[in-house]
Amino acid sequence: AQRVTQPEKLLSVFKGAPVELKCNYSYSGSPELFWYVQYSRQRLQLLLRHISRESIKGFTADLNKGETSFHLKKPFAQEEDSAMYYCALSGFGNEKLTFGTGTRLTIIP
Amino acid sequence: GAVVSQHPSWVICKSGTSVKIECRSLDFQATTMFWYRQFPKQSLMLMATSNEGSKATYEQGVEKDKFLINHASLTLSTLTVTSAHPEDSSFYICSAPVGGRSYEQFFGPGTRLTVL
Repeated sequence: AQRVTQPEKLLSVFKGAPVELKCNYSYSGSPELFWYVQYSRQRLQLLLRHISRESIKGFTADLNKGETSFHLKKPFAQEEDSAMYYCALSGFGNEKLTFGTGTRLTIIP
Repeated sequence: GAVVSQHPSWVICKSGTSVKIECRSLDFQATTMFWYRQFPKQSLMLMATSNEGSKATYEQGVEKDKFLINHASLTLSTLTVTSAHPEDSSFYICSAPVGGRSYEQFFGPGTRLTVL
């Protein structure tokens, strides 16, 4: 069975401080990992995916297979980063996504 | 990017009635769509996979006779909540992958269902 764990429901960070949203997963095969974001009153949208190894809006995430983690990081938080963040997993080549419980990030001005 | 719409955006109904929610891919074709349910301040729970031209695949614990899914065309999937009860009140979200690859999945804005 596949599972995604986000241990923090709420996270508050001062503007300009580093951000790290934790995500751990459980999956027996080769997973594809994603971070989705939902800004206030907007639909869920893809932030980044591990296979692209890209930085979006200053955020990066590295897949650590040894620790089965895919933590989301940003060196300097901005107020517009306040949102709900979901870590998600799918099996390689499988369209179905399993979501974590989400972390609500609040950036304090 | 690709756009997925849902209609209605919110609906209030009486207990015992049925409610239909539509999910449309506006500028692309989707042989597969997904239906999720989201409770307040909780994560998205996958309910079922809607397959164009064939039966939907339901996740464990989801009543297929309660939540009827029809994927009649490459751009439309419908979710009908039959004989709705207050415990069915929730936020229902659909999504569709573009190009059949999971990372290009686009979400609808969601439908808020309130059953009185």
